[in-house]
Amino acid sequence: NAGVTQTPKFQVLKTGQSMTLQCAQDMNHNSMYWYRQDPGMGLRLIYYSASEGTTDKGEVPNGYNVSRLNKREFSLRLESAAPSQTSVYFCASMRQGGPQPQHFGDGTRLSIL
Amino acid sequence: DQQVKQNSPSLSVQEGRISILNCDYTNSMFDYFLWYKKYPAEGPTFLISISSIKDKNEDGRFTVFLNKSAKHLSLHIVPSQPGDSAVYFCAAPPPRDGSSNTGKLIFGQGTTLQVKP
Repeated sequence: NAGVTQTPKFQVLKTGQSMTLQCAQDMNHNSMYWYRQDPGMGLRLIYYSASEGTTDKGEVPNGYNVSRLNKREFSLRLESAAPSQTSVYFCASMRQGGPQPQHFGDGTRLSIL
Repeated sequence: DQQVKQNSPSLSVQEGRISILNCDYTNSMFDYFLWYKKYPAEGPTFLISISSIKDKNEDGRFTVFLNKSAKHLSLHIVPSQPGDSAVYFCAAPPPRDGSSNTGKLIFGQGTTLQVKP
């Protein structure tokens, strides 16, 4: 059972470079989410996709774009990376239908120099 | 205002003793809460949840208590084990999310628990 798979696990970028973080889930979940985790800040929602074909901004969307490629895949793109985007990024998924837990991937650790 | 706060960054307890992790929220309309556990280099994993219609939910060594009048919840781990050493996050869906059911969560800052052998 793979669950939620994120690639890559680590990446170092230079300021101004672009990058796409990939996320795929094999649980047939409808909803998918991208978070960033910074020290002392908990997890903050960047973008989410409540269902296939829809995406919406979360708490900290500036500097990011997303694509819900199909039901399984939800990618996060940094068009012009900035040092402030150095963080650990987590993708999560959830089956719709009432309050219930999200399932998380193991994260992508991104450093921007 | 929709915030979930964990004011203690860290907690250290002896193996076998009780660990109590606390979480406060600012909006009385929050109606469902979750606790997640996170080990280094892994994603958060769901631990236990509680609905606002209850004041206690228990699952093995883990019990969550909800005090609605104080807007406070706590996670009790009894007895604590070294394998419980991790970061614990409380989380809640934003109050107005109920009808749209987007599944969004607001997370606290996390508390790092260290259980010493």
